[in-house]
Amino acid sequence: DSGVTQTPKHLITATGQRVTLRCSPRSGDLSVYWYQQSLDQGLQFLIQYYNGEERAKGNILERFSAQQFPDLHSELNLSSLELGDSALYFCASSAPDVYEQYFGPGTRLTVT
Amino acid sequence: AQTVTQSQPEMSVQEAETVTLSCTYDTSESNYYLFWYKQPPSRQMILVIRQEAYKQQNATENRFSVNFQKAAKSFSLKISDSQLGDTAMYFCAFILRGGSNYKLTFGKGTLLTVNP
Repeated sequence: DSGVTQTPKHLITATGQRVTLRCSPRSGDLSVYWYQQSLDQGLQFLIQYYNGEERAKGNILERFSAQQFPDLHSELNLSSLELGDSALYFCASSAPDVYEQYFGPGTRLTVT
Repeated sequence: AQTVTQSQPEMSVQEAETVTLSCTYDTSESNYYLFWYKQPPSRQMILVIRQEAYKQQNATENRFSVNFQKAAKSFSLKISDSQLGDTAMYFCAFILRGGSNYKLTFGKGTLLTVNP
């Protein structure tokens, strides 16, 4: 158990819908990262937050957005879902000035 | 941009034997970290071992060790005394040290099967 929690574990929804994925980092970690794992794209970095502020953006679609709240939990919002958005979404966290990232169990999103 | 290449999509090894997984990377930077992550069938991403580029000594964690060749940009993972529980997808990952972007860049992975 990495100490990073993610909910829900599984999500099945229809095209065009909107979903919210939630992540709680390890105690003491200020950074939260979101990654997408799909069969064709592999593991791709989406976005990073540090202590409530956006720090870096990767291959994140405009239909996707994220935020980190004062209690440091983070949410990833996916809207206007398409079949190709079906993937495993991971949240990871790291301590200040530490480079190791610890991953949550992931949320498996299926868009039908 | 940094890239990470794992040239072995699949490997297999007999229980108790030793196996080496390969990873090469490309970067123009000199200060970075390298990691190996393990993803078993449960899909959880587990950090196995890390290497700091400025350290010449190869990292070791129990049965896991790395062979870090900075000039060759090579970072292989050796698993000794392989166990059935080592069956997993293994990902090599790179992260730049310094700056504000701490994104991990992953290779495509190597599926390792440990046979009884």
